[in-house]
Amino acid sequence: NAGVTQTPKFRILKIGQSMTLQCAQDMNHNYMYWYRQDPGMGLKLIYYSVGAGITDKGEVPNGYNVSRSTTEYFPLRLELAAPSQTSVYFCASSYSGREKAFFGQGTRLTVV
Amino acid sequence: KQEVTQIPAALSVPEGENLVLNCSFTDSAIYNLQWFRQDPGKGLTSLLLIQSSQREQTSGRLNASLDKSSGRSTLYIAASQPGDSATYLCAVYPSSNTGKLIFGQGTTLQVKP
Repeated sequence: NAGVTQTPKFRILKIGQSMTLQCAQDMNHNYMYWYRQDPGMGLKLIYYSVGAGITDKGEVPNGYNVSRSTTEYFPLRLELAAPSQTSVYFCASSYSGREKAFFGQGTRLTVV
Repeated sequence: KQEVTQIPAALSVPEGENLVLNCSFTDSAIYNLQWFRQDPGKGLTSLLLIQSSQREQTSGRLNASLDKSSGRSTLYIAASQPGDSATYLCAVYPSSNTGKLIFGQGTTLQVKP
C-alpha cells in the first residue's frame, strides 16, 4: 500500500541550481496535484494534471514546470532556484478529483 | 475566484471538551468539501468528504456539516483527546470541474491533558 510517494524528503539547494521533485502513485488515479505549504499560509496549488499528457497551472506556477507522461508519475521541476521557493512541497492524487485526495509525506526544500 | 477561510488559526482546549472548527468559502458552486488532518512534519490525511447534496458526514467522534448556500462547513470533534492535536484543513472542489482542490489556511488544534 505505497499510495503517494515523494522523493527526496529533504533537500538544500543553492540559488540558481535546478532540481526535480519526484512523485509517484500506485492507485491508478487520474488527477495529480503539486502544492506548496508555507507557514500559516495553507496550501497553494502550483500545477495539476487531470490525466497523462494533460497539465495546467494553479495559483503559483512561476518558477516551476511539470510533465505527466504516464498515469503514475508527476515530477515537478524547479529551474533557477530562488529563496522564495523555500517551502514544503506536497504531491497529491485522486481518482477523478471528486473523491478523497491522498497526499505524499512532503519534500522540505531550502534554497540558500 | 473561490477563497476558503478557516477561523480561528489556532485553538487550545482541555481534554474532554467538545469543539467546533469553522470553514467558509466564497463561492457556493462546489462539488464537495473535504476535511483533512495534518500532523507536524507529515502529509495530509483525508478525514471526511461531504458531497454538495449532503448536509453532514460522520466518522467516529468527528462530524462534519455543510451549508452550501451560506458557504460554511463545520467540523465537530466530540470528547477531544490529546491525540487529536494536529492542524485541520478544509478544501473545496469547485463544481466548475476544473480539477482544482482549493484549501483554507488551517486551524492548529492543541488538546491539553
